[in-house]
Amino acid sequence: SQKIEQNSEALNIQEGKTATLTCNYTNYSPAYLQWYRQDPGRGPVFLLLIRENEKEKRKERLKVTFDTTLKQSLFHITASQPADSATYLCALEDSNYQLIWGAGTKLIIKP
Amino acid sequence: GAGVSQSPRYKVAKRGQDVALRCDPISGHVSLFWYQQALGQGPEFLTYFQNEAQLDKSGLPSDRFFAERPEGSVSTLKIQRTQQEDSAVYLCASSHEGPSTTQYFGPGTRLLVL
Repeated sequence: SQKIEQNSEALNIQEGKTATLTCNYTNYSPAYLQWYRQDPGRGPVFLLLIRENEKEKRKERLKVTFDTTLKQSLFHITASQPADSATYLCALEDSNYQLIWGAGTKLIIKP
Repeated sequence: GAGVSQSPRYKVAKRGQDVALRCDPISGHVSLFWYQQALGQGPEFLTYFQNEAQLDKSGLPSDRFFAERPEGSVSTLKIQRTQQEDSAVYLCASSHEGPSTTQYFGPGTRLLVL
C-alpha cells in the first residue's frame, strides 16, 4: 500500500522567508494530492489540492508543486508570518479510494 | 450548522468501559469519515459512510469498534471494552461528495483510557 513521508523534525523559519515542506510517497502516483493545516487541539483544515496533470497550484502566499517522476510534492509559504506556525499534513488517495496521511511537519515561524 | 461538531471534546474512560463518540457533520454533506490520530501522527482512516450506508470499515482496528449513521446525518463511533491502546484523538470529517473531495474536520474527541 501507499506510504507517505514528511519531515518529522520541526522546521524553523525566520519571518518573511519562504518555508518549503516536502511530501514523498512510495508507490503509484495518485490522481491528486492534498495539503492541510492542523493547529494544536483542532482538526485539519484543507488548504490546496493538486491533480496529477497539474505541475503547480497557487493560492495567495501558498504554492504546491507535484512531481510524479520524483514522487514528491513541495509546499511553499512565501513571506511567512508567525501565524503560519502549525503542522502541515499531506494526504493522498490510497488504492481503496480513501485518504492516507503523512505524519505532518511542524512549522515554526520566528519573529 | 456552520461546521462539523463533535462531542464530547474530552473523554476519560477506565479500561473495559464502553464509550460513544458523536459527530454532527455539515448539513447536506453526503460523506462522513472517522479517523484516529495518535500523538505526533497523521490521521488514520477508520470508516466511511455515504448517507446512511457504511461503505468502508476496513480501518476499524477490531470488532470492539462500531460506527453507525442511521439517518444519514449524525454519526456515532462506539468503542466497547476500551483498552489503553485506544487512547487517541478521534476525528470526524464530512464532505459534499466522496472521499476525493475536500474533507471538513471537526475538532476531535480526545479519548484517554486509564
